[in-house]
Amino acid sequence: ELKVEQNPLFLSMQEGKNYTIYCNYSTTSDRLYWYRQDPGKSLESLFVLLSNGAVKQEGRLMASLDTKARLSTLHITAAVHDLSATYFCAVGSGGSNYKLTFGKGTLLTVNP
Amino acid sequence: DSGVTQTPKHLITATGQRVTLRCSPRSGDLSVYWYQQSLDQGLQFLIQYYNGEERAKGNILERFSAQQFPDLHSELNLSSLELGDSALYFCASSPLAGGPVGVYEQYFGPGTRLTVT
Repeated sequence: ELKVEQNPLFLSMQEGKNYTIYCNYSTTSDRLYWYRQDPGKSLESLFVLLSNGAVKQEGRLMASLDTKARLSTLHITAAVHDLSATYFCAVGSGGSNYKLTFGKGTLLTVNP
Repeated sequence: DSGVTQTPKHLITATGQRVTLRCSPRSGDLSVYWYQQSLDQGLQFLIQYYNGEERAKGNILERFSAQQFPDLHSELNLSSLELGDSALYFCASSPLAGGPVGVYEQYFGPGTRLTVT
């Protein structure tokens, strides 16, 4: 059974600081997804990482994938309050019957 | 706005009752997924349909069932409801069901918040 572990689960940051969220998964997968969820809202797709060494950046967020280590990271640079949300990583599996297995999420709070 | 619609937004019902949640996928998407989000279980995959056929099952209880209709909308039926079924239920859609090539990104609807009292 595929397991996806995120850490930390809770992250309180000061504005302007940098930090990294880690996502480990237990079996081979070639697609890794990052989503953002604001309280009571839906999931917004941030990044899709398709291959080993893939790196994608959008604004203050950068995601990377190491398939050999089964590890993805979401790096936050110079955090701002607007980044406060819950961030989920999800691993795709199932071949032709595709599904996503989600981590528990990281609740990020950026304090002024 | 992802283009996926779900109704109703909120639903409050009593234990033992039955409810139906509805989802319309993005235009052109053939695959629909249902997920349950609760505080204790997190986000869990329930079931997937592709072009009217069930393709994959996750942690879906026997009291729950789903179907996808010819117009591609989907319904999730929850029966004999228990307090523990209170959760946010998301529908997601994607163009295809899966395969060796492709992104297979899933687009999530706004969710239906179910409260069982």
